[in-house]
Amino acid sequence: DIVMTQSPLSLSVTPGEPASISCRSSQRLLHGDGDYYLDWYLQKPGRSPQLLIYLTSSRASGVPDRFSGSGSGTDFTLKISRVEAEDVGVYYCMQGLQTPRTFGQGTKVEIK
Amino acid sequence: EVQLVESGGGLVQPGGSLRLSCEASGFTFSLYSMNWVRQAPGKGLEWVSHIDSSGPTHYADSMKGRFIISRDNAKSTLYLQMTSLRAEDTAVYYCARGPYYYDSRSQKSYYYGMDVWGQGTTVTVSS
Repeated sequence: DIVMTQSPLSLSVTPGEPASISCRSSQRLLHGDGDYYLDWYLQKPGRSPQLLIYLTSSRASGVPDRFSGSGSGTDFTLKISRVEAEDVGVYYCMQGLQTPRTFGQGTKVEIK
Repeated sequence: EVQLVESGGGLVQPGGSLRLSCEASGFTFSLYSMNWVRQAPGKGLEWVSHIDSSGPTHYADSMKGRFIISRDNAKSTLYLQMTSLRAEDTAVYYCARGPYYYDSRSQKSYYYGMDVWGQGTTVTVSS
């Protein structure tokens, strides 16, 4: 199984400041179609998870452009250009390359 | 409105069985692969199972032989039959659409992530 490792596991950010979360996979997530099969999800407090980014860098419908994803090989990053209060929650990366699909441990983002 | 609504959770004794349902609306259910993802109390997300739009299924190792995912496209409903339940199966179970969409015109599948999630249904395994 592909192991997903996120860092940091928690993050406290001042509103308006940038934030970055790293996700590392135990295997390359490169698909035969040339895309890296890495998604990012956010679970706000008391809510169901929601998709932010798919295929490393494609924003899901309705996701603000302050969220961006990048990476290749085994190293991926989610960046929030200017954190807002509504961005609090737990962020998960997930590999979609193969089953079993595996999630990272989650990164809890709080507002200072 | 695109929506997924889970049901069927509850309290069950160890060794017991339960069937979860996920009713979809607002989109062509048959064209999407579907998943079950669970979250134990205070823990992270754990993928459980996936079913392709055409029927093939996949499971996490700890669920193989105990859980069966299925779908009824005519009813736009996803199911998870759970047997031999253990205390460690206690969790909120979410159904999620995706990550593949099947384009019937091109006859190709496209990856869009798990883009729609239900509100979850709680399963508690305890004596």
